[in-house]
Amino acid sequence: AQKITQTQPGMFVQEKEAVTLDCTYDTSDPSYGLFWYKQPSSGEMIFLIYQGSYDQQNATEGRYSLNFQKARKSANLVISASQLGDSAMYFCAMREGVGSQGNLIFGKGTKLSVKP
Amino acid sequence: DSGVTQTPKHLITATGQRVTLRCSPRSGDLSVYWYQQSLDQGLQFLIQYYNGEERAKGNILERFSAQQFPDLHSELNLSSLELGDSALYFCASSATPGTLLGNEQFFGPGTRLTVL
Repeated sequence: AQKITQTQPGMFVQEKEAVTLDCTYDTSDPSYGLFWYKQPSSGEMIFLIYQGSYDQQNATEGRYSLNFQKARKSANLVISASQLGDSAMYFCAMREGVGSQGNLIFGKGTKLSVKP
Repeated sequence: DSGVTQTPKHLITATGQRVTLRCSPRSGDLSVYWYQQSLDQGLQFLIQYYNGEERAKGNILERFSAQQFPDLHSELNLSSLELGDSALYFCASSATPGTLLGNEQFFGPGTRLTVL
């Protein structure tokens, strides 16, 4: 079974509007961390935001926020006021367990296209 | 710029050949992770080193090997190359082995390997 599921292969959003990228995860470990990375066409992986399983509040970083619904095992990324430079692949990832070796498990990604 | 460097940026070689990919982690980071990104498999964890020692193995083929040197740089060796090994290979680094769930991994720009 997939540990990280991103059901939207591609998304379009109008410039200046908000967009939500979906991510669901599967783990039986009570301790885990969830990450979002952005990969522009140039290829590098850029860290956007982190949410810990015990965090009480949803994480926010500038225009990025994470809608964390623990009971539903979802960790959706919300990008507000989309910009043309937001066009990229977005990956949701998870790290399991306190004391884990630390590697990230990635979803298949969502390609976001921002229209002018 | 994440502070993680990878060389070479591009590598084109033939089936059956052997190549070495190099990674220098961020200053002070002891942990190095290797990931492979291919069209069919997505982003997959290969192997992790911490302070010179192998810490975790993911979906790494027996034809692939890695090591981390005393100066903390790491090399990923790929041998008996096949067409299916064509992919983007990322190195990432973090300060600790990953026992802190929120430890961000900083990704290098990747090495794009093409096997002809």
